[in-house]
Amino acid sequence: GENVEQHPSTLSVQEGDSAVIKCTYSDSASNYFPWYKQELGKRPQLIIDIRSNVGEKKDQRIAVTLNKTAKHFSLHITETQPEDSAVYFCAARGSGGYQKVTFGTGTKLQVIP
Amino acid sequence: EPEVTQTPSHQVTQMGQEVILRCVPISNHLYFYWYRQILGQKVEFLVSFYNNEISEKSEIFDDQFSVERPDGSNFTLKIRSTKLEDSAMYFCASRRQGGNEQFFGPGTRLTVL
Repeated sequence: GENVEQHPSTLSVQEGDSAVIKCTYSDSASNYFPWYKQELGKRPQLIIDIRSNVGEKKDQRIAVTLNKTAKHFSLHITETQPEDSAVYFCAARGSGGYQKVTFGTGTKLQVIP
Repeated sequence: EPEVTQTPSHQVTQMGQEVILRCVPISNHLYFYWYRQILGQKVEFLVSFYNNEISEKSEIFDDQFSVERPDGSNFTLKIRSTKLEDSAMYFCASRRQGGNEQFFGPGTRLTVL
């Protein structure tokens, strides 16, 4: 089955700096890669996603890149703000009809004011 | 905007007892999922459900677990005889036909004593 690795497990940045989180996946058939932000005790919230036929996608301060050949994808947050502090999960979804999502192990991002 | 809802928000039970966690997916969605998240860990897939039957399940989803869609709106997860290690946050999610995004509910925190 799919295996998603995520690094780093914790990340501290100064407010205004950029944060980068990296993930790798194992199943070359995976075709959809969402990123979730999870605040303490809350549900995972989708913040951005990318399909396998796209190499990069940007939404304001958030961007995701995908390298299908290397099977890795990354989340970039620019101009970080204290409210960006949360746990971020990358995920990969297979191409099967029912499409379960396999999550990475999470990155705890702390933005220091 | 329609949301997935879950009840109860917190369930405390004794080891060996049966629990039923309830979810109301978004009304026009056809694919339903249960995930669990042990405190401080990643979100793990349990089961997917489509067309009134299980379409995929993980190794976590053993004979103690079952799912049901008893009517047109509810989707339930039953744990027959709870164990201490079942303590976790359980998230329900749903997805529409042809869509990519899985919409997560707020979760039920299950505590087994």
